[in-house]
Amino acid sequence: AQSVTQPDIHITVSEGASLELRCNYSYGATPYLFWYVQSPGQGLQLLLKYFSGDTLVQGIKGFEAEFKRSQSSFNLRKPSVHWSDAAEYFCAVGILTGGGNKLTFGTGTQLKVEL
Amino acid sequence: ETGVTQTPRHLVMGMTNKKSLKCEQHLGHNAMYWYKQSAKKPLELMFVYSLEERVENNSVPSRFSPECPNSSHLFLHLHTLQPEDSALYLCASSQEGAGAGDTQYFGPGTRLTVL
Repeated sequence: AQSVTQPDIHITVSEGASLELRCNYSYGATPYLFWYVQSPGQGLQLLLKYFSGDTLVQGIKGFEAEFKRSQSSFNLRKPSVHWSDAAEYFCAVGILTGGGNKLTFGTGTQLKVEL
Repeated sequence: ETGVTQTPRHLVMGMTNKKSLKCEQHLGHNAMYWYKQSAKKPLELMFVYSLEERVENNSVPSRFSPECPNSSHLFLHLHTLQPEDSALYLCASSQEGAGAGDTQYFGPGTRLTVL
């Protein structure tokens, strides 16, 4: 069965600093990988996704992620964090089943931005 | 309305009440999902509907009863819930068969409190 690990429960960065959120996955085949962001009281918004091809994926809000097969990782990065980026970030691995796309989520990383 | 909407946004109910959560997607998708999000735990997939047929039930207690009358609407009927069922319930939709890694789009969720 697939699994996702987000080793950092909480991260605090200063506004304007760079950010990297870690995600490791376990899956026997080539995974479909996603990063979602959740602001307080809101649902999940898709930041970016990886299916195949270029291992560096660009997303919304200036985020990018790099798929590294050798490390089973899909880390999320942003060169300069804004205060509005404070939220919870979820990494997920998806597999296609007989019905729909089954997502397995990590436990999330809570990002705090210091002004 | 655009995207995925959920009503109500907040619900407080007693253990003997019967209530329903509603989800509507305006994306033309053919698969819909219910997730439960509890504090400190990964999102838990509860049910998957594909082409209005339930294709997955992840060992969810019978006090939760889903209904998908058409491809745009999904309900979660609740009865005799327990306090541990208090959580954020998220609905999502995707277009099955759109390609590898069908992306799921989430609603804002219903915050449920069981007294």
